[in-house]
Amino acid sequence: GQSLEQPSEVTAVEGAIVQINCTYQTSGFYGLSWYQQHDGGAPTFLSYNALDGLEETGRFSSFLSRSDSYGYLLLQELQMKDSASYFCAVNSGGYQKVTFGTGTKLQVIP
Amino acid sequence: SQTIHQWPATLVQPVGSPLSLECTVEGTSNPNLYWYRQAAGRGLQLLFYSVGIGQISSEVPQNLSASRPQDRQFILSSKKLLLSDSGFYLCAWSPQGWEQFFGPGTRLTVL
Repeated sequence: GQSLEQPSEVTAVEGAIVQINCTYQTSGFYGLSWYQQHDGGAPTFLSYNALDGLEETGRFSSFLSRSDSYGYLLLQELQMKDSASYFCAVNSGGYQKVTFGTGTKLQVIP
Repeated sequence: SQTIHQWPATLVQPVGSPLSLECTVEGTSNPNLYWYRQAAGRGLQLLFYSVGIGQISSEVPQNLSASRPQDRQFILSSKKLLLSDSGFYLCAWSPQGWEQFFGPGTRLTVL
């Protein structure tokens, strides 16, 4: 089966940088995705890594190390609106099957 | 552009009653479709996914079932709801699997 581990909660200061880690155990790994979910809302896609390395999209970056079964999401210049839950997700056993982690609740404080 | 619809937005049902949640996608063809359930403060549990009409993969054995009668329609059903079926039900579509687009969700409370 598949399992993903993320910290349950992270607190960071507005304007700072925060890193949310994700480790996974899975067979037939294809790639790692990240999603953001605000309270009461639906998740929205942030990024996807299929190959090792760093992907940058504006203030958000995502990293993958396939050999270490590890990835992270990096949020820079934190804003209050970044307070949300962040989920990593793996594609395994085919591109179509997706397994989500338990999520990290990020609180940005002034 | 593509849009995904889910209804109803909220639902309160008694234990033992049936359930039918509908999800439709517009603006794309042959999407991969997904049903997830999220308990309060928890992660997303994949329930079913479908890569085509009539093709359903079940991830968690339970009293729920799914059907895909049309290319862009995905239905989640139950004959008899349990208390443990309460949660936030999310439908999603994806062109390829890793980038998923979620509907607004249905909050189901089973009493």
